[in-house]
Amino acid sequence: EMQLLESGGNLVQPGGSLRLSCAASGFTFSSYSMSWVRQAPGKGLEWVSSIGNRETFYADSVKGRFTISRDNSKNTMYLQMNSLRAEDTAIYYCAKDGVSGNRVWDYFDCWGLGTPVTVSS
Amino acid sequence: IVLTQSPGTLSLSPGERATLSCRASQSITSNYLAWYQQKPGQAPRLLIYGASSRATGIPDTFSGSGSGTDFTLTINRLEPEDFAVYYCQQYGGSPQMHTFGQGTELEIK
Repeated sequence: EMQLLESGGNLVQPGGSLRLSCAASGFTFSSYSMSWVRQAPGKGLEWVSSIGNRETFYADSVKGRFTISRDNSKNTMYLQMNSLRAEDTAIYYCAKDGVSGNRVWDYFDCWGLGTPVTVSS
Repeated sequence: IVLTQSPGTLSLSPGERATLSCRASQSITSNYLAWYQQKPGQAPRLLIYGASSRATGIPDTFSGSGSGTDFTLTINRLEPEDFAVYYCQQYGGSPQMHTFGQGTELEIK
């Protein structure tokens, strides 16, 4: 069974940094592109970033502040978040592409439970 | 691409049919349109991809249709567990970003 488990969410002050992790199991991690999607309190879904084999992509709202990476030997994806702002407050979900081959731009067929990030002084 | 979902809230009774709309600001390549269901406190769940293909384990009461800029999610014979928020999403890499609609809340009347 495919599973994704996020961790690393926390309360952080504006301007601070945080590193999220997403541990994957139940599928061949290296064969799939992975993404981060966030949801602010009471709001809809917002794509944050995606990673293929090596290529990375970011939403304009986080470009230059967030860095996505992956370690296929550990079946884990990461999101390094710097210069955090109040508007980054959200639940951060990791999501797996539905089609193998690291195509990056596919639907998401598996989601984690999410990890909460709160940016506040 | 901007995705606009309507209505914002849909109030129906169990057993009725729900019709949810997702309209794109420009044509979506190869019908790269997906639908997700999200219940309170839970992660989204994939329902439909490629505009009309049901994901694994999704009952046939859920169906997707449409092409170009206009897409529809239909839920026949609503069950109590179907009341949730539904999102559409465009993928496919043109443009190089994932876009979600703002969601439609399906509530029990």
